[in-house]
Amino acid sequence: DIQMTQSPSTLSASVGDRVIITCRASQTINTWLAWYQQKPGKAPKLLIYKTSTLQSGVPSRFSGGGSGTEFALTISSLQPDDFATYYCQQYNTYSEFTFGPGTKVDIK
Amino acid sequence: EVEMVESGGGLVQPGGSLRLSCAGSGFTFSSFWLSWVRQAPGKGLEWVANIKQDESEKYYVDSVKGRFTISRDNAKNSLYLQMNSLRAEDTAVYYCATMTANILPPDVWGQGTTVTVSS
Repeated sequence: DIQMTQSPSTLSASVGDRVIITCRASQTINTWLAWYQQKPGKAPKLLIYKTSTLQSGVPSRFSGGGSGTEFALTISSLQPDDFATYYCQQYNTYSEFTFGPGTKVDIK
Repeated sequence: EVEMVESGGGLVQPGGSLRLSCAGSGFTFSSFWLSWVRQAPGKGLEWVANIKQDESEKYYVDSVKGRFTISRDNAKNSLYLQMNSLRAEDTAVYYCATMTANILPPDVWGQGTTVTVSS
């Protein structure tokens, strides 16, 4: 089974800050890594897929990178709408998807 | 508009059964893999199951194997999750989702339906 870890679990930041969230897989997943944003009471929203491809309609301040087992989500300049919880997800094979435990970004 | 809408959640006693449904619209339902994902109260996301377009492949997270069954009816644009032998730890919001391209993870999600397992 592939395990996913994220750090930090909580991040306090201010509007305009550059924010980086990291995600690690327990084995290589090539670039089959996605990032989601979730707000309370809402379904997750896909931000990035295939490690670095921005989903349609997602602002360009979001970017993703990495390969193999180490990945990162960067928000270049945090906006008020970005305070939320972020999850990474590996989808290397249809037989097993795994989400990371999440990173909550809150207001400093 | 591409949309997924879940239904069928509710309160059920431990050991009981429940069948969730998910209706897709605005896209060619039969062309894509489908998923169920759940989220326990105050917890993170957990993938539950995937099903291929023609039902020839079905996969489950270990904690539900032998208890849950994923199925679909492409003629009705519908996805199902039959949940048997329910436990308190199955209490969660259940989301259905579709993957609208081979390189995509679940990209279109429903709003979720709540399952509570309690006596």
